[in-house]
Amino acid sequence: EAAVTQSPRNKVAVTGGKVTLSCNQTNNHNNMYWYRQDTGHGLRLIHYSYGAGSTEKGDIPDGYKASRPSQENFSLILELATPSQTSVYFCASGGQGEVTEVFFGKGTRLTVV
Amino acid sequence: GDSVIQMQGQVTLSENDFLFINCTYSTTGYPTLFWYVQYSGEGPQLLLQVTTANNKGSSRGFEATYDKGTTSFHLQKTSVQEIDSAVYYCAMRNMGYKLTFGTGTSLLVDP
Repeated sequence: EAAVTQSPRNKVAVTGGKVTLSCNQTNNHNNMYWYRQDTGHGLRLIHYSYGAGSTEKGDIPDGYKASRPSQENFSLILELATPSQTSVYFCASGGQGEVTEVFFGKGTRLTVV
Repeated sequence: GDSVIQMQGQVTLSENDFLFINCTYSTTGYPTLFWYVQYSGEGPQLLLQVTTANNKGSSRGFEATYDKGTTSFHLQKTSVQEIDSAVYYCAMRNMGYKLTFGTGTSLLVDP
């Protein structure tokens, strides 16, 4: 069974603070993704990566950075957190090919106060 | 750019009712289309996928059809059960790594 693990599962941060969300996958997948989930917007892609050392901007990258130091790990970084970044964040991994399944973690609930 | 439109935000049915959820997409070329399901407290998981070559997919009693002429794809189930209560997302992947999702349909099935 493919495994994607996110940490922390819940986080409260202060406005202006730095937040790092971590993701680890044991699937040996090349592709990894960060989405945020908001009511009325569904899942929106923030950043993605197609291998160690690569990061690409998704549809809503402003205010976020990403880091892919290894095949297994993909981090999402909020340098200056704002209340508008309060959301549930999902990490996912997937193999090559358009029909390959993408596996999601259980999500991180971030609240910025 | 690529987009997926999912108009039905909430659907409430009774057990054994028929379910039909519709999505439309916009892209170039020939995408692969997916339906993901998300249960409470979990991440989304793949329910089924439809490639342009097959035009239809099925899993766990759900069936997906794809209409290239109207650039739409549908999820249906003949007889829903309470355990089917979840959020259903349509999604599209086209020529690369990016998976684009619709806004989700929250299904509530009353026993």
